[in-house]
Amino acid sequence: EAGVAQSPRYKIIEKRQSVAFWCNPISGHATLYWYQQILGQGPKLLIQFQNNGVVDDSQLPKDRFSAERLKGVDSTLKIQPAKLEDSAVYLCASSLPGGQPQHFGDGTRLSIL
Amino acid sequence: GENVEQHPSTLSVQEGDSAVIKCTYSDSASNYFPWYKQELGKGPQLIIDIRSNVGEKKDQRIAVTLNKTAKHFSLHITETQPEDSAVYFCAGKKGNTPLVFGKGTRLSVIA
Repeated sequence: EAGVAQSPRYKIIEKRQSVAFWCNPISGHATLYWYQQILGQGPKLLIQFQNNGVVDDSQLPKDRFSAERLKGVDSTLKIQPAKLEDSAVYLCASSLPGGQPQHFGDGTRLSIL
Repeated sequence: GENVEQHPSTLSVQEGDSAVIKCTYSDSASNYFPWYKQELGKGPQLIIDIRSNVGEKKDQRIAVTLNKTAKHFSLHITETQPEDSAVYFCAGKKGNTPLVFGKGTRLSVIA
């Protein structure tokens, strides 16, 4: 089966610009997650969707980050405006519902100049 | 909330030797513990997981043990090969709460 697809793979922007990332989960996976992975650390959850509804966004910096999953399949994560500390890899993961294992995409590496 | 500590941060072993990575967790109600392998430029790949109703699980050269009383779990890799070189992450969660990751262990297998 095809894995989690993410694009772009790399993005370089200047601070205060905006950026968007796209994720297509594994077919049939109702649960979708966005993680931020700062260099040298483990992934940290930003937001979790169940179908097109938000389950947990307690760690999402809502003043600058937003995410949507309008049709319960693909998802986009946006940062506006970007700060230097947003430099990280943004990972998308998906799973079947009910606490099933999460499968990750290869992420988008974001560099802020 | 849950806190997961992982040791060591780096580990070097000779090819063919065993490698052990240890993690501790803070929330005694946590009941799911996956291990991920992350290669350079790739996303984390699930290699094995264990739930709190079992104490040990094995898959070929990889095994995980769980001690609920002490709140720690370990990853054991036997007969290590150069392709096992990567960063390994442990994680823990309970129910529908978020998965909390350790800070990772960089494993180097020296041929």
